[in-house]
Amino acid sequence: AQSVAQPEDQVNVAEGNPLTVKCTYSVSGNPYLFWYVQYPNRGLQFLLKYITGDNLVKGSYGFEAEFNKSQTSFHLKKPSALVSDSALYFCAVRDSGGYQKVTFGIGTKLQVIP
Amino acid sequence: NAGVMQNPRHLVRRRGQEARLRCSPMKGHSHVYWYRQLPEEGLKFMVYLQKENIIDESGMPKERFSAEFPKEGPSILRIQQVVRGDSAAYFCASSTLTTGDGANVLTFGAGSRLTVL
Repeated sequence: AQSVAQPEDQVNVAEGNPLTVKCTYSVSGNPYLFWYVQYPNRGLQFLLKYITGDNLVKGSYGFEAEFNKSQTSFHLKKPSALVSDSALYFCAVRDSGGYQKVTFGIGTKLQVIP
Repeated sequence: NAGVMQNPRHLVRRRGQEARLRCSPMKGHSHVYWYRQLPEEGLKFMVYLQKENIIDESGMPKERFSAEFPKEGPSILRIQQVVRGDSAAYFCASSTLTTGDGANVLTFGAGSRLTVL
């Protein structure tokens, strides 16, 4: 079975500081990994994905994530946080094989403090 | 392209009534997913459908819950005899390509918030 762990319920960071939101995963084969963001009373929006290739992937709004196969991690990062980045962030995984189910983590609330 | 459309956005039901949630996927998308969101539980997978087929319903309770995605029309998530514990936000997502570079990027609707009194 595939699963995602987001160990932090909430991450607080000062505006202008770098941020990291952690994610580890478990799949039986090679992973497809995703990050989504949710603003209050809205659906989730896609930020970035890792399918294959470079371990560092860049996405929307200046976010990036690094795939680390040995640590089965896919942490989300941004060099300089903005107050507008405050939201709920979800990591997701899918096995690259034929099975299409996408499993999400529990979500991490990011609070950027002015 | 109107995106993924869910309705109703808000639905109030009394215990024992039926709730029907509708989802129209993005144009050209043939894969539909339903998720339930509760504050302390994150986003829980319920069911994955393709046109006229249920592919994976492992996250859906065996009783009272059903889903369909007919050849024509929206996908429907149906909850019979609702109980207070069914109160949640239900999100639908759709996708097209399932392999390669476009693999499984899901487009989400705005959600349907069910309140059971």
